[in-house]
Amino acid sequence: GENVEQHPSTLSVQEGDSAVIKCTYSDSASNYFPWYKQELGKGPQLIIDIRSNVGEKKDQRIAVTLNKTAKHFSLHITETQPEDSAVYFCAAARGKLIFGQGTELSVKP
Amino acid sequence: NAGVTQTPKFQVLKTGQSMTLQCAQDMNHNSMYWYRQDPGMGLRLIYYSASEGTTDKGEVPNGYNVSRLNKREFSLRLESAAPSQTSVYFCASSDTGQTQPQHFGDGTRLSIL
Repeated sequence: GENVEQHPSTLSVQEGDSAVIKCTYSDSASNYFPWYKQELGKGPQLIIDIRSNVGEKKDQRIAVTLNKTAKHFSLHITETQPEDSAVYFCAAARGKLIFGQGTELSVKP
Repeated sequence: NAGVTQTPKFQVLKTGQSMTLQCAQDMNHNSMYWYRQDPGMGLRLIYYSASEGTTDKGEVPNGYNVSRLNKREFSLRLESAAPSQTSVYFCASSDTGQTQPQHFGDGTRLSIL
């Protein structure tokens, strides 16, 4: 079955810097790759997703890139702000969604 | 606009007790899901319901049952709680044509002693 590995587990950046979180997946047939943001005490919130027929997708300060050959995808957050501090999860799906282990992002003012 | 509402928010049970976790969505979504979240393991799918009247097993269904009561409500039942079921449980929903969760509730934190 699908396995998703996410790195790093924790990430600390200064406000205004960029943050990059990387995920690898094992099932080459996976075709949907969402990213979720989870704030303390809340449920995950879908922030961006990409399908396998697209290499990159942007939404304001957030972008996701997909390399199908290498079976990895990444989340890029530019001009980070303190409110970006949260746990971020990647996931991959062919049928059922398999989640990565999460990255705790801390943005220091 | 409530979205996905889960009750209760917190619960402590003793081993062997039973309990039903409630979930309701007000977005007229067809698909609903139950996940559990454990430290260092991300979220794992317990059961899902693609439409009213249908349910299917996910990755970790053992020890759980579900009921899709109507289009709005999807409940998760623990018949005989075990300490290994201590977790945070999330319900989610998605719109017609979407096969993956889009909106999550804020979770039920369940401790089993």
